[in-house]
Amino acid sequence: EDQVTQSPEALRLQEGESSSLNCSYTVSGLRGLFWYRQDPGKGPEFLFTLYSAGEEKEKERLKATLTKKESFLHITAPKPEDSATYLCAVLISSGSARQLTFGSGTQLTVLP
Amino acid sequence: KAGVTQTPRYLIKTRGQQVTLSCSPISGHRSVSWYQQTPGQGLQFLFEYFSETQRNKGNFPGRFSGRQFSNSRSEMNVSTLELGDSALYLCASSLVPSGSKETQYFGPGTRLLVL
Repeated sequence: EDQVTQSPEALRLQEGESSSLNCSYTVSGLRGLFWYRQDPGKGPEFLFTLYSAGEEKEKERLKATLTKKESFLHITAPKPEDSATYLCAVLISSGSARQLTFGSGTQLTVLP
Repeated sequence: KAGVTQTPRYLIKTRGQQVTLSCSPISGHRSVSWYQQTPGQGLQFLFEYFSETQRNKGNFPGRFSGRQFSNSRSEMNVSTLELGDSALYLCASSLVPSGSKETQYFGPGTRLLVL
């Protein structure tokens, strides 16, 4: 069964305290891994797409990496505005069908 | 460029009623997917449409249905509402359903409360 597991469930950081969020997956037919940020009451906001092991993407204080079994979202010197739930999702295909399967998310709180 | 829009944003219904939610994708996007988000189950895939055809369906009962129009706008319908259908319903669009243009962009969602 395809599974996506995110850890930790919740993370509290002091402003400037760097850390990493983990997304591990066991899927077949992986077409890509996506990171989204979601603020309360809003839809997920796209951050990154990773397609192959060894790939890295960066955006401001965020950097996403991908291995064959997991992805990390590194947050460098976070600010309070980085507080949100971070979701990872894997795009799985079977024939012509495809769907995003999401992890349960990591709720990040950055304290000033 | 306008993002994905969903209407209505909030909805209150009673058990047994039916509801229709609407989604307008980003201009030029032809693939639309629907998701249900609840605190207990997280984000779960409902179905995906491309060129007015349902390409994939998640593990939801037949009370959940959808369609896509020739302009790529999509609607989803839930009949005989149950209390457990209370959720945030999210629509996502992508250029095409495969290849390098398949990143899905989400709308703000419709929050449905079933009483």
